Amino acid sequence: NAGVTQTPKFRILKIGQSMTLQCTQDMNHNYMYWYRQDPGMGLKLIYYSVGAGITDKGEVPNGYNVSRSTTEDFPLRLELAAPSQTSVYFCASRDRDRGGTEAFFGQGTRLTVV
Amino acid sequence: GDSVTQMEGPVTLSEEAFLTINCTYTATGYPSLFWYVQYPGEGLQLLLKATKADDKGSNKGFEATYRKETTSFHLEKGSVQVSDSAVYFCALSDTPGGANSKLTFGKGITLSVRP
Repeated sequence: NAGVTQTPKFRILKIGQSMTLQCTQDMNHNYMYWYRQDPGMGLKLIYYSVGAGITDKGEVPNGYNVSRSTTEDFPLRLELAAPSQTSVYFCASRDRDRGGTEAFFGQGTRLTVV
Repeated sequence: GDSVTQMEGPVTLSEEAFLTINCTYTATGYPSLFWYVQYPGEGLQLLLKATKADDKGSNKGFEATYRKETTSFHLEKGSVQVSDSAVYFCALSDTPGGANSKLTFGKGITLSVRP
């Protein structure tokens, strides 16, 4: 049971480049989330999805895009990378919320923009 | 909107010391409350949870009680171990079945336990 899988684990980008962070879950969860984690700032929600074909913005969506064409996959796209996007990115998923539903996290992607 | 406030860190304790990490929240409705733990180099994992007022979540010697009157969910452990060194996040999920089932996290606090 793989859970939530993120790729790549590490990446260095030059300013202005673009890339896609991949996230796949094999638990048939409806809800998926992208967070970024900056030192001392906790987790900030970038985008989330409550099901295939449905996405919505979180707290810090600028500079990012997402899609949810299947239940399993929720890729995060960075266009025109900027140093402010240097961060650790976490994808998470959970089942439809019936109260106290646990979220499962991937191992994270450490991105540096130089 | 919903928010979670955690005490400022970091926290350094000696092994077998008592631990309290404060967490308060602001939310409408009846949120569920969580503590997640992040060990070095890993993603977050659920430590414990509570889904309604006066519920106590517990796991691995950690406990937290959902206090609606004080909007708090403080994490406690009677005797910490070196292996408890990690970052701890308090989080809430808005009302079950709501259209926007987001998870809101606090800033996290780093706990270091000395032998």
